[in-house]
Amino acid sequence: GENVEQHPSTLSVQEGDSAVIKCTYSDSASNYFPWYKQELGKRPQLIIDIRSNVGEKKDQRIAVTLNKTAKHFSLHITETQPEDSAVYFCAAMGSGGSNYKLTFGKGTLLTVNP
Amino acid sequence: DVKVTQSSRYLVKRTGEKVFLECVQDMDHENMFWYRQDPGLGLRLIYFSYDVKMKEKGDIPEGYSVSREKKERFSLILESASTNQTSMYLCASSLARGRYEQYFGPGTRLTVT
Repeated sequence: GENVEQHPSTLSVQEGDSAVIKCTYSDSASNYFPWYKQELGKRPQLIIDIRSNVGEKKDQRIAVTLNKTAKHFSLHITETQPEDSAVYFCAAMGSGGSNYKLTFGKGTLLTVNP
Repeated sequence: DVKVTQSSRYLVKRTGEKVFLECVQDMDHENMFWYRQDPGLGLRLIYFSYDVKMKEKGDIPEGYSVSREKKERFSLILESASTNQTSMYLCASSLARGRYEQYFGPGTRLTVT
């Protein structure tokens, strides 16, 4: 099955700096890569996603890049703000019969210091 | 606005009890999922269902079963609760037909003593 590795497990930045979180996946046929944000005590929520036919996607201060050859994808947050502090999870959707099943990384705790 | 609800936010049960966790979604989603979330381990899939009465095992199904008798409701059952099942349980749902975003419920914090 699919295996997703996520790094780093914790990340601390100063407000205004950029933050980058990286993930690798094992199934070369995976075709969908979402990122979820989970604030303390709240449910995970989708913040951005990318499909395998696209190399990069941006939404205001966040962007995701995908390198299919290397089987890795990254989340980039620019001009970080304290409200960006949360746990971020990457995920990958494998191929085959379980088309809707996501495999998640272990998460990155991002702390943005004012 | 998609709403996924779970029957309890906090639950305390004794070892050996049978435990039912309920999840309801109101957006006519075909797919429903149960995850457990533990510190440092991320979200791990227990079971999922892609249609009424249909289910598939996820990555950690041992000690759990599920039931989906109606499209909007997906139940997770712990047949005989054990202390290592103390965890946060999250339910999610998604559409089929090319829409993959999963919408999560608020979670149930289960403690087994």
